[in-house]
Amino acid sequence: DTAVSQTPKYLVTQMGNDKSIKCEQNLGHDTMYWYKQDSKKFLKIMFSYNNKELIINETVPNRFSPKSPDKAHLNLHINSLELGDSAVYFCASSQGTGSGANVLTFGAGSRLTVL
Amino acid sequence: AQSVTQPDIHITVSEGASLELRCNYSYGATPYLFWYVQSPGQGLQLLLKYFSGDTLVQGIKGFEAEFKMSQASFKLRKPSVHWSDAAEYFCAVGPYQTGANNLFFGTGTRLTVIP
Repeated sequence: DTAVSQTPKYLVTQMGNDKSIKCEQNLGHDTMYWYKQDSKKFLKIMFSYNNKELIINETVPNRFSPKSPDKAHLNLHINSLELGDSAVYFCASSQGTGSGANVLTFGAGSRLTVL
Repeated sequence: AQSVTQPDIHITVSEGASLELRCNYSYGATPYLFWYVQSPGQGLQLLLKYFSGDTLVQGIKGFEAEFKMSQASFKLRKPSVHWSDAAEYFCAVGPYQTGANNLFFGTGTRLTVIP
């Protein structure tokens, strides 16, 4: 059983298209995240949700819209894709409280390529 | 501002040799520190973490790390490297914050293991 699963693993699309990446965790965690890893491997947080509520919203173009239908799911929708959106997007989750709140479990990543 | 520096972009070691990866951080308070490993095409896996107490922490796969507050340093070590340790290693720093945590990652150190 995969703890944090993302789909799709690979996504190739044209500029201007809209695409979504889905994430599900079966760990019972309260908090979920989206991180972006660029071509230089730099990881930066984009969003975080705690019990379906947006907690962290870093400086991200508003073409990116996260949606959390329940605390086990956090999806990322991207409108009007640009070349610079090409990256690997990682979903992660953690407990909401206690020392486990600091321990993130990551999915395998979704590699987005915009042509 | 918070930051994490991993001075070594790429390290090559022989199988069986010892390993030391450097990590320095800048943080406004006592940080929580992490080392994650990313194998090719995979997500990030937690190797170990430091929250408080003993400054030498043990992790999975035979890794350990030493926290030195005076040097703002969190070094990762392994006495004898295996070929399967070849991967990208990320140091991260974060706050204790119930609900969500914004981990700041270093830019990673790529480890190559030669026979």
